[in-house]
Amino acid sequence: DTGVSQDPRHKITKRGQNVTFRCDPISEHNRLYWYRQTLGQGPEFLTYFQNEAQLEKSRLLSDRFSAERPKGSFSTLEIQRTEQGDSAMYLCASSPSTGVNEKLFFGSGTQLSVL
Amino acid sequence: GQQLNQSPQSMFIQEGEDVSMNCTSSSIFNTWLWYKQDPGEGPVLLIALYKAGELTSNGRLTAQFGITRKDSFLNISASIPSDVGIYFCAGPHGSSNTGKLIFGQGTTLQVKP
Repeated sequence: DTGVSQDPRHKITKRGQNVTFRCDPISEHNRLYWYRQTLGQGPEFLTYFQNEAQLEKSRLLSDRFSAERPKGSFSTLEIQRTEQGDSAMYLCASSPSTGVNEKLFFGSGTQLSVL
Repeated sequence: GQQLNQSPQSMFIQEGEDVSMNCTSSSIFNTWLWYKQDPGEGPVLLIALYKAGELTSNGRLTAQFGITRKDSFLNISASIPSDVGIYFCAGPHGSSNTGKLIFGQGTTLQVKP
């Protein structure tokens, strides 16, 4: 296993369309996180899973956003009715549930552009 | 709420020079993390600090956990062109051990060969 994998790397969509991103965490990691990063800023927390349970969601995650991790392995992040303000890099990260949980390992991200 | 402030915002240095950057907060952190991000990639963990006063090295990188627990420093010695990127400090949000991190706004480093 070479690390956290995200797909696609880039997504261009028109305003109003739905998009879905996939994240495959490091295989032995139980925790999976989604962050969003806009230009010139650090990543901002969106949500996280412990196995298949979604344990916390940020206020940044509007009703148009939904994340799932159905079998406790890969996760998907869906954005419905995209808006131009959704344009950002969407980062996935994973960590083991025991030991030092703050050591997050990030994927390469999905760069979303909403036209 | 908790915020992390990084300085400087950007640096442009000559290859071979040493670099220092810092991260400060108005609240106490129990863990400090330093990440590097290359263009179009996700952040990569460089150094993790868990104890006030701790000094940890990773190759040419050295980071320190401030004694007040409200700051941290990252030094890069003898910079090389591949050090170019954005350096972020991060710390856990609140006191929970959930992996929910707060990031600074980053220090952009450019190295002139």
